[in-house]
Amino acid sequence: KAGVTQTPRYLIKTRGQQVTLSCSPISGHRSVSWYQQTPGQGLQFLFEYFSETQRNKGNFPGRFSGRQFSNSRSEMNVSTLELGDSALYLCASSLGLGGNYGYTFGSGTRLTVV
Amino acid sequence: GNSVTQMEGPVTLSEEAFLTINCTYTATGYPSLFWYVQYPGEGLQLLLKATKADDKGSNKGFEATYRKETTSFHLEKGSVQVSDSAVYFCALISPNSNSGYALNFGKGTSLLVTP
Repeated sequence: KAGVTQTPRYLIKTRGQQVTLSCSPISGHRSVSWYQQTPGQGLQFLFEYFSETQRNKGNFPGRFSGRQFSNSRSEMNVSTLELGDSALYLCASSLGLGGNYGYTFGSGTRLTVV
Repeated sequence: GNSVTQMEGPVTLSEEAFLTINCTYTATGYPSLFWYVQYPGEGLQLLLKATKADDKGSNKGFEATYRKETTSFHLEKGSVQVSDSAVYFCALISPNSNSGYALNFGKGTSLLVTP
């Protein structure tokens, strides 16, 4: 079956712009989480959605937002981009909430802010 | 709060050598523990997991045992291959105070296996 699909794979944006990233989870998975990966900070949790509701949010500014649609697909948005937002953004899907289900990651969207 | 500490890399081994990557954790309650692997240019792949104390996760020759008494989840493989070269992440998940779940990752350990 198809894995977690993230689009686009690569993105270059200018400071001050906004960007929207998309994630399609594995069919049947209802939980979608987003993570930011940078060389300095490593992997950091952004937020998690389940049944169209944000269930958990990491320690990121309000410029970072997301949503989940009724088909479980999710988008995350970053407004007023800063150079420090350059990172690999990873999406993960799971059947449900909790560690017993495990999380499957997509290949990520590499965002470069210039 | 929750945290994961894993050994710094890079780790360089010859093919067929024994691998150990140390991982210790701090968490409230009873977390589930994971090892993920990341190949160049790719996302994370779940390698193995353990959800309760004394559980052993295993996959593709890799093993790790959930040791609650030492709060550890060390990754081992008896004989590494060149194709095992990647970055390995130890992670835990535990409910936070807002009744949600988030993976807490270690910094990652880069492994290079030479022929």
